Amino acid sequence: AQSVTQLDSHVSVSEGTPVLLRCNYSSSYSPSLFWYVQHPNKGLQLLLKYTSAATLVKGINGFEAEFKKSETSFHLTKPSAHMSDAAEYFCVVSTTSNTGKLIFGQGTTLQVKP
Amino acid sequence: DAGVTQSPTHLIKTRGQQVTLRCSPKSGHDTVSWYQQALGQGPQFIFQYYEEEERQRGNFPDRFSGHQFPNYSSELNVNALLLGDSALYLCASSLGLAGSYEQYFGPGTRLTVT
Repeated sequence: AQSVTQLDSHVSVSEGTPVLLRCNYSSSYSPSLFWYVQHPNKGLQLLLKYTSAATLVKGINGFEAEFKKSETSFHLTKPSAHMSDAAEYFCVVSTTSNTGKLIFGQGTTLQVKP
Repeated sequence: DAGVTQSPTHLIKTRGQQVTLRCSPKSGHDTVSWYQQALGQGPQFIFQYYEEEERQRGNFPDRFSGHQFPNYSSELNVNALLLGDSALYLCASSLGLAGSYEQYFGPGTRLTVT
């Protein structure tokens, strides 16, 4: 069965410093992986996705993630945090290649301090 | 181009009542999935509709049912409401069933059961 573990429930960084949100996955086949962001009282927005192409995936707003099969990880990074990045972030795996059931991690709250 | 829309935005119901939530997919999308997001948790998959049929179902009781119309819009029905059904209900749409396809989420319907 597929699953996702977000290793930190809360991450706090200062504005202008790097962001690292950690995610490990479990999948019995080659997975599709996603990162979504959820701002307060708003819906989920797709940041980026990995679907067996390049292992380094670039997304919106300067975020990127690297797929590491040997470590079963898909960590999200950004070189320099902005105040507007404060939100809830979800790492997501798709269960099978021919259906779109998404399995979400528990989420990581990113706090950005001025 | 309208994104995914959901109605109503908020809803308050009493235990034992029934509720219907509605979703219109992003223009051009033909697949709709529903998720339940309890407070402080990641979204949980309820079910997915494609070609007016339920294609996959998560671990939810039969009190949760749905429908997809010829115009691809969808409804989620919950019968015999319990306090534990209080949550944010999210609708997501995509073009096709494949797990690698991007899913676009609506803003959600906040259901409160008293």
